[in-house]
Amino acid sequence: DVAVTQSPLSLPVTLGQSASISCRSSQSLEYSDGTIYLNWFQQRPGQSPRRLIYKVSDRDSGVPERFSGSGSGTDFTLKISRVEAEDVGVYYCMLGKYWPPTYSFGQGTKLEIK
Amino acid sequence: QVQLVESGGGVVQPGGSLRLSCAASGFPFSSYGMHWVRQAPGKGLEWVAVTSYDGVHKFYGDSVKGRFTVSRDNLRNTLYVQLNRLRPEDTAVYYCALGGYTSGWYSDGFDSWGQGTPVIVSS
Repeated sequence: DVAVTQSPLSLPVTLGQSASISCRSSQSLEYSDGTIYLNWFQQRPGQSPRRLIYKVSDRDSGVPERFSGSGSGTDFTLKISRVEAEDVGVYYCMLGKYWPPTYSFGQGTKLEIK
Repeated sequence: QVQLVESGGGVVQPGGSLRLSCAASGFPFSSYGMHWVRQAPGKGLEWVAVTSYDGVHKFYGDSVKGRFTVSRDNLRNTLYVQLNRLRPEDTAVYYCALGGYTSGWYSDGFDSWGQGTPVIVSS
């Protein structure tokens, strides 16, 4: 099984500052076409998860440009530039492995405002 | 727009069964894979199951394999999961989430989620 590890688990950030979350997988899951199915999700308090980033670095429609994804191999990063109050919540990475399909979430990183 | 509405959650005794439903609208349901994902109280997300757009292919997380069964009715635009032999550790909010389109049914998706339905397994 693929293990996905996020760090830090808690992330206090000052408004307007940037924040970075790391996601590491226990194995590389790059497919023959170069695709890595690594997603990032935001879950605000009391809400359902929302996908922010897919395939490592593609931003979903409606997601502010402040959110960016990067990485390769087994190391990935979500960066939030100029953190705003609405960014408070828990962020998860998720890695897809095929075939057979299995999906592994990281433990989650709780972002709070200092 | 895509809408996913889960229902069927509730309180059930250990060893009992429950069937959850996810009513879908706003997209061609029969062309998309669909997932179930759960979240225990105060915990993170755990993938539960996925079904292909035609219901032929079904895969499960290790913790539910052999106890849960995912299915779909493409005429009723509804996704189901049958929860059998429930354990206290199955207590969670269960979400349905959109999968990928046709041949990408397993690799893409998770871009739309329902609001979740809670399941409590307790005597």
